[in-house]
Amino acid sequence: ETGVTQTPRHLVMGMTNKKSLKCEQHLGHNAMYWYKQSAKKPLELMFVYSLEERVENNSVPSRFSPECPNSSHLFLHLHTLQPEDSALYLCASSQYGQGGYYGYTFGSGTRLTVV
Amino acid sequence: KQEVTQIPAALSVPEGENLVLNCSFTDSAIYNLQWFRQDPGKGLTSLLLIQSSQREQTSGRLNASLDKSSGRSTLYIAASQPGDSATYLCAVKGSEETSGSRLTFGEGTQLTVNP
Repeated sequence: ETGVTQTPRHLVMGMTNKKSLKCEQHLGHNAMYWYKQSAKKPLELMFVYSLEERVENNSVPSRFSPECPNSSHLFLHLHTLQPEDSALYLCASSQYGQGGYYGYTFGSGTRLTVV
Repeated sequence: KQEVTQIPAALSVPEGENLVLNCSFTDSAIYNLQWFRQDPGKGLTSLLLIQSSQREQTSGRLNASLDKSSGRSTLYIAASQPGDSATYLCAVKGSEETSGSRLTFGEGTQLTVNP
């Protein structure tokens, strides 16, 4: 496996369900991200985990809960979602070094549909 | 707050045509600018990365330029092919002090190259 791998590729869930999205990076990077891509909107950063920072976008509802157990794995736990949360969720990783952040690599995404 | 705008939102051209995609950003204090390609339902593939100190980058038929003072970047695609059909996204990264690791994306230009 190389690059950034996301599972599942597609997910349909009811509003009362609990599910998790998984991301794994095989690049040795030390920063990981969740981005949300909705129709007709720019990609929106949701969460960042790195050695230097953990950033939470204050506009992200609490029904989205990130978990980063180590530098290679990132999860997004979902519960009691709304239909407007249907979107493509993209995971990315990068490397933080002396020169800053570089080498952003994105996964193929999880297409989430909330019914 | 950094804002990124891409024009046009959609473009349809015949095969073989040379074309230019435009990206503008409101805060010229950027660290670098990156162009990505996204195929329908897929993740992002990095095409070109231009550091703030650079004026342009080239890869095959692609050439990206950066004019930081005017807040503009262009992506030039030479001799377009049907396989170039995709959405092209521009993303800027601010300084570590002001924006940490986040990328700010435009909404993209959807390109269709007709055989």
